[in-house]
Amino acid sequence: RKEVEQDPGPFNVPEGATVAFNCTYSNSASQSFFWYRQDCRKEPKLLMSVYSSGNEDGRFTAQLNRASQYISLLIRDSKLSDSATYLCVVNRRSGGGADGLTFGKGTHLIIQP
Amino acid sequence: DVKVTQSSRYLVKRTGEKVFLECVQDMDHENMFWYRQDPGLGLRLIYFSYDVKMKEKGDIPEGYSVSREKKERFSLILESASTNQTSMYLCASSLTGTGGEQYFGPGTRLTVT
Repeated sequence: RKEVEQDPGPFNVPEGATVAFNCTYSNSASQSFFWYRQDCRKEPKLLMSVYSSGNEDGRFTAQLNRASQYISLLIRDSKLSDSATYLCVVNRRSGGGADGLTFGKGTHLIIQP
Repeated sequence: DVKVTQSSRYLVKRTGEKVFLECVQDMDHENMFWYRQDPGLGLRLIYFSYDVKMKEKGDIPEGYSVSREKKERFSLILESASTNQTSMYLCASSLTGTGGEQYFGPGTRLTVT
């Protein structure tokens, strides 16, 4: 099993629709989970952290299922500006720290007018 | 705002040349990282550092070395550049102990001919 696995897409979604993607991770000891966003030819930027209880930030909702080792991201009322690649990210060892993060290869989202 | 800068956006070097990629962060972060990003392979960790003069190998250190003489500066060195090192190189920094958010520089697109 790959460390962090995502469907690469692309997901072509009409503006205003709801879209969801998941990722799975292999290290059951991982403690920190994130979604990053990367625009074309730009650097990745943190979109949101993912907490065990689930969390919401405006139109974005992230959830974590530790038992099944997957993380989800839901985008409601999608906007053209949401078009980007979404990277699922997991810390490399339990407890976090300076050992870095493992990035999924990303899911490419295209919002169509 | 955290700022991570990289010395060049685009660089073209010849096979066998020694290449230096510089990264500077202005937020007094302890941790710094070098990644490369390739289509279909995602972000892969080359080296990281959790303190001045300290370094740890990531997943793909072969052909690379690093230097961290000052807290704010982390250099990636290609001892003898090869064509398979043509890639986008991204530097990142983070606070210590968080296992969390990393702030990325804009990237250096290196082409080795």
